[in-house]
Amino acid sequence: NAGVTQTPKFQVLKTGQSMTLQCAQDMNHNSMYWYRQDPGMGLRLIYYSASEGTTDKGEVPNGYNVSRLNKREFSLRLESAAPSQTSVYFCASSPNSPLHFGNGTRLTVT
Amino acid sequence: AQSVTQPDIHITVSEGASLELRCNYSYGATPYLFWYVQSPGQGLQLLLKYFSGDTLVQGIKGFEAEFKRSQSSFNLRKPSVHWSDAAEYFCAVGVDFGNEKLTFGTGTRLTIIP
Repeated sequence: NAGVTQTPKFQVLKTGQSMTLQCAQDMNHNSMYWYRQDPGMGLRLIYYSASEGTTDKGEVPNGYNVSRLNKREFSLRLESAAPSQTSVYFCASSPNSPLHFGNGTRLTVT
Repeated sequence: AQSVTQPDIHITVSEGASLELRCNYSYGATPYLFWYVQSPGQGLQLLLKYFSGDTLVQGIKGFEAEFKRSQSSFNLRKPSVHWSDAAEYFCAVGVDFGNEKLTFGTGTRLTIIP
């Protein structure tokens, strides 16, 4: 039982490069979320998906896009990475409550 | 909009001592309240949650928290800490049950000394 799986675990990008962070859950949860974690700022919601086929913006959506490919998968895309997007990114899923988190992707943009 | 304040950035306690981590929230109605714990290099794990009813809630690993509406607080407590409790602790508030668009506090890092 893997829970929430995020890939990759680490990534270094140059400014302007693009990449997609992958997230998959095997718990049959309807809702999925992307958060970013920065020192001294806690976790902030980037995007969420209440169900397959729907997505909505969270607190800090600028510079990101998401795709809810199916019930299991929810990807986060950075089209043109910026140093301000250096962060640890967490994917989470939930039935109704609580959140189940993946182990995170540590992204550095130089 | 709701907000969460964790006034203590870092707390150090001796193993076996009691612990209280503070959390204050701001929201006009009764919120849903959570405590999560994060070990280094890991995701967050739910310790406990408050939705309604008894204001003293029990969680995993021997933790408990008390919801005090009059103080807008949801402090986390443990009577005797273990070295394995060293981690970062996050308080979070939600306002819409079933939609986990939580607002997190900035976290409290707990260090345990022998």
